[in-house]
Amino acid sequence: EVQLVQSGAEVKKPGESLKISCKGSGYSFTNYWLGWVRQMPGKGLEWMGIVYPGDSRTRYSPSFQGQVTISVDKSIRTAYLQWSSLKASDTAIYYCARVEYGAAEYWGQGTLVTIPS
Amino acid sequence: QSALTQPASVSGSLGQSITISCTGTSSDVGGYNYVSWYQQYPGKAPKLIIYEVSNRPSGVSNRFSGSKSGNTASLTISGLRAEDEADYYCCSYIASNTLDVVFGGGTKLTVL
Repeated sequence: EVQLVQSGAEVKKPGESLKISCKGSGYSFTNYWLGWVRQMPGKGLEWMGIVYPGDSRTRYSPSFQGQVTISVDKSIRTAYLQWSSLKASDTAIYYCARVEYGAAEYWGQGTLVTIPS
Repeated sequence: QSALTQPASVSGSLGQSITISCTGTSSDVGGYNYVSWYQQYPGKAPKLIIYEVSNRPSGVSNRFSGSKSGNTASLTISGLRAEDEADYYCCSYIASNTLDVVFGGGTKLTVL
């Protein structure tokens, strides 16, 4: 069974750093792109970027380039989404998803990140 | 990359059919047969219901169907049920030198 399990909810202060994770199991981890999707409160879905665990290639949406870092450790089948300096506007639910030809069939449960202003 | 254009809301009565449109350009929807649709309930992760324009993943009801004409893709839900009330998002592969996927803005379906 394919599973993507994300790390738990976080409450951080503006300016702090954060790294959240997404662990894959039940499939060949290195053969599928993994993407990160943001959903701000009451808003729609936004692709942030994707990573290919086989060779760590990353691609970012222009809106998120330079704002976050996506990485992967294939030895532990885990992808990461990282911020170096959080802002209140980073408050959102972040999902990871396995992507193939633009379609995401498998999703993590989501990680709520809260940055009180 | 601009989001694909969906109506903010649609509604339909129990048992009826509705269609949600997703309009893009020749660089995304019109250029590739890689349009997907997602259903999302409040507080839940999205669920893939259509991929590659018109294919359903295993386990998805055949009441859901997808199509495409030119730069517009469509999701049709037939025989509306109360449990179909949710948010629906389209997504397309996009010709880009950055990220190659983009979502639509989402459509809230209300079942009357």
